[in-house]
Amino acid sequence: GENVEQHPSTLSVQEGDSAVIKCTYSDSASNYFPWYKQELGKRPQLIIDIRSNVGEKKDQRIAVTLNKTAKHFSLHITETQPEDSAVYFCAASYGGATNKLIFGTGTLLAVQP
Amino acid sequence: DVKVTQSSRYLVKRTGEKVFLECVQDMDHENMFWYRQDPGLGLRLIYFSYDVKMKEKGDIPEGYSVSREKKERFSLILESASTNQTSMYLCASNQGPEAFFGQGTRLTVV
Repeated sequence: GENVEQHPSTLSVQEGDSAVIKCTYSDSASNYFPWYKQELGKRPQLIIDIRSNVGEKKDQRIAVTLNKTAKHFSLHITETQPEDSAVYFCAASYGGATNKLIFGTGTLLAVQP
Repeated sequence: DVKVTQSSRYLVKRTGEKVFLECVQDMDHENMFWYRQDPGLGLRLIYFSYDVKMKEKGDIPEGYSVSREKKERFSLILESASTNQTSMYLCASNQGPEAFFGQGTRLTVV
């Protein structure tokens, strides 16, 4: 089955710096790669996603890149702000009827003011 | 606005008890999932269901069972709770690719 590895497990940056979180997946059939943000005490929420037919996607200060050949995908956050502090999870899915998501182990991002 | 609601925010149960965690979604989604969240281990899939009365094992099904008698409700059952099942449990549902999560149930087994 699918396995998703995520690095780093913790990341501390200064406000205004960029943050990058990386994930690798094992199943070449996976074709959908979302990123979820979980603030302290809250439920995970989708912030951005990418499909396998696209190499990069941006939404304001966040972007996701996908390298299908290497089975890598990354989340990039620019101009970080204290409200970006949260746990971020990557996930992979091969779609189909169930759209079952397999998640990475999470990255705790701390943005220091 | 999609709503996924878990019946309890916090639960404390004794070792050996039978425990039911309930999840209800209001968007007529076909698929529902139970995940367990532990520090350093991320979200691990316990069971999922793609239709009423249909279920499949996830990555860590041992010690758990599920029930889906109605489309909107998906229950996670711990037949005999053990201390190593102390964790945060998250329910989710989807129809398309995006999953919507419940607020989580923090279960402590003593």
